[in-house]
Amino acid sequence: DAMVIQNPRYQVTQFGKPVTLSCSQTLNHNVMYWYQQKSSQAPKLLFHYYDKDFNNEADTPDNFQSRRPNTSFCFLDIRSPGLGDAAMYLCATSKLVPGRVRVGTNEKLFFGSGTQLSVL
Amino acid sequence: AQSVTQPDIHITVSEGASLELRCNYSYGATPYLFWYVQSPGQGLQLLLKYFSGDTLVQGIEDFEAECKTSQSSFNLRRPSVHWSDAAEYFCAVVRGGGGADGLTFGKGTHLIIQP
Repeated sequence: DAMVIQNPRYQVTQFGKPVTLSCSQTLNHNVMYWYQQKSSQAPKLLFHYYDKDFNNEADTPDNFQSRRPNTSFCFLDIRSPGLGDAAMYLCATSKLVPGRVRVGTNEKLFFGSGTQLSVL
Repeated sequence: AQSVTQPDIHITVSEGASLELRCNYSYGATPYLFWYVQSPGQGLQLLLKYFSGDTLVQGIEDFEAECKTSQSSFNLRRPSVHWSDAAEYFCAVVRGGGGADGLTFGKGTHLIIQP
């Protein structure tokens, strides 16, 4: 059974038209990540939530926002998609145990299958 | 900043032959390293990870990797590849700051299996 579910699998939007990608998880993990992966490139972290704390990467454009209404769901909002935003968007989760050696707790990221976004 | 470099963009291996994919890391302290595989149009699947202890780590199926600090390398190996191994392989390192900061990925190596 899928543990990190991304919907939709493929998303087509128009230039400048807001779009939302969704991610849900059944693992009860406290950390959720959004990665952007352009064609033939490495996944690039956009931001993550540690519980309700939002952590934005310094080079993530303002055009990208995220919401996490509860533990299970996390959304990626692109306010005005440009052609350069066409990419695979990957959601991932992990469990961080407070008090443990911080790096050692980040033992594994569980990835969803991604949403392939096209911008017309 | 912590980073990984995968020097080979493409690797072609004959089915049944051995495989080695290269990864070099840059890290200020003990590295925490991963190998992920990505089939076309799919998410990333963890093959193996290294945190500490024995520098030779075993992963799923018969993938293995060895962390060599003298060479700052974490090469992925498999004794015999199958056609289904054709995919993109990413080496990754835990980002600076630890905790929930996630991973930094290399640019990937595309593995091609020829009959």
